[in-house]
Amino acid sequence: RKEVEQDPGPFNVPEGATVAFNCTYSNSASQSFFWYRQDCRKEPKLLMSVYSSGNEDGRFTAQLNRASQYISLLIRDSKLSDSATYLCVAARSGGGADGLTFGKGTHLIIQP
Amino acid sequence: ETGVTQSPTHLIKTRGQQVTLRCSSQSGHNTVSWYQQALGQGPQFIFQYYREEENGRGNFPPRFSGLQFPNYSSELNVNALELDDSALYLCASSPETWDDEQYFGPGTRLTVT
Repeated sequence: RKEVEQDPGPFNVPEGATVAFNCTYSNSASQSFFWYRQDCRKEPKLLMSVYSSGNEDGRFTAQLNRASQYISLLIRDSKLSDSATYLCVAARSGGGADGLTFGKGTHLIIQP
Repeated sequence: ETGVTQSPTHLIKTRGQQVTLRCSSQSGHNTVSWYQQALGQGPQFIFQYYREEENGRGNFPPRFSGLQFPNYSSELNVNALELDDSALYLCASSPETWDDEQYFGPGTRLTVT
């Protein structure tokens, strides 16, 4: 079983719609969680950290459910520029010595 | 503030050869991590360097090795290249080893033929 699992998609969504991605993680020792965005043939870019209390950054809302080991990302009023692969990430320790564990990514296509 | 830089951008090598990839960390960051991203996969953690020492390692064989220099820049060396080593190699830096937020460079695309 993969440590971080995501639906690879693609998700084809009309511009202006709301889209939600989910991700599950298997290691209960994971302490930090993130969503990264990766454009085609580019490096991953940190989109937002994920907290149990939920956090929002403009049109983006992230949520963590530790009991279910589940992370979500909601994008409201989607834009063409939101088309990308979204990578769910868990980190086992409070430090980076174990590295970040990435899911395979969910591919999002926003259609005009 | 200077971001993470990597060189070269692209590289083509033959099976059995050796390769060295380079990374300069973001200004003010002392920790560098390396990742391998195969096509269609998420990045996989290779190892991390903190204050010139290897601080953690993923599930990669010893032919993957690295260095960190006093200015916190880093190298990834891969010996005895295999076809499966073809991938995007990403370097990420963070302010301290206990910071989980990591910032990635543009990567080096390695093709092994």
